[in-house]
Amino acid sequence: GAGVSQSPSNKVTEKGKDVELRCDPISGHTALYWYRQSLGQGLEFLIYFQGNSAPDKSGLPSDRFSAERTGGSVSTLTIQRTQQEDSAVYLCASSLDGAGTNGKLFFGSGTQLSVL
Amino acid sequence: QKEVEQNSGPLSVPEGAIASLNCTYSDRGSQSFFWYRQYSGKSPELIMSIYSNGDKEDGRFTAQLNKASQYVSLLIRDSQPSDSATYLCAFLANSGYSTLTFGKGTMLLVSP
Repeated sequence: GAGVSQSPSNKVTEKGKDVELRCDPISGHTALYWYRQSLGQGLEFLIYFQGNSAPDKSGLPSDRFSAERTGGSVSTLTIQRTQQEDSAVYLCASSLDGAGTNGKLFFGSGTQLSVL
Repeated sequence: QKEVEQNSGPLSVPEGAIASLNCTYSDRGSQSFFWYRQYSGKSPELIMSIYSNGDKEDGRFTAQLNKASQYVSLLIRDSQPSDSATYLCAFLANSGYSTLTFGKGTMLLVSP
């Protein structure tokens, strides 16, 4: 596709429910990142996938959060038993071969998650 | 904990003035630094990168890096109302992974 695609764009859920957020990176990009941004806050790193290497999960805030990337392309971020503090914009980004090359990440439009 | 500190602002400047945005970072091993711009309701986009001490100019934008002081700044000359956005400082963590650590951003408001 022309850019990073995320779905859904908005998700409202009840506390305790599970949610899945999807990211379709730019074709050919080997690196994929998940960040989240709360109101008035910066970007909080969650997880990083690079090719077939083991992902960097160091940013996941709790074991309720998990992510997978199938076939080196589409990624799904799953949040189990959602809590109100999970409410944020979840941003996915991809890059050609990782931020270490030139720092250029291409971000999707994000999923606005609201936990009631 | 690797951190990036930025003044949240807002920084208000009149049109045509120089806007100066500052950032400090904690990871002495970091070698790569970046400025992202985020318009309200939009996603961040890369506008500048800097890797060496000194200045790097690109049009109206100048990035400055001082590794000894762990300080990076962004100057915007001849500020325009269209420059009004949140500017996020980021660095590449020296962790072996290609992960960018972002600051909370500084909101810039340029008044006509």
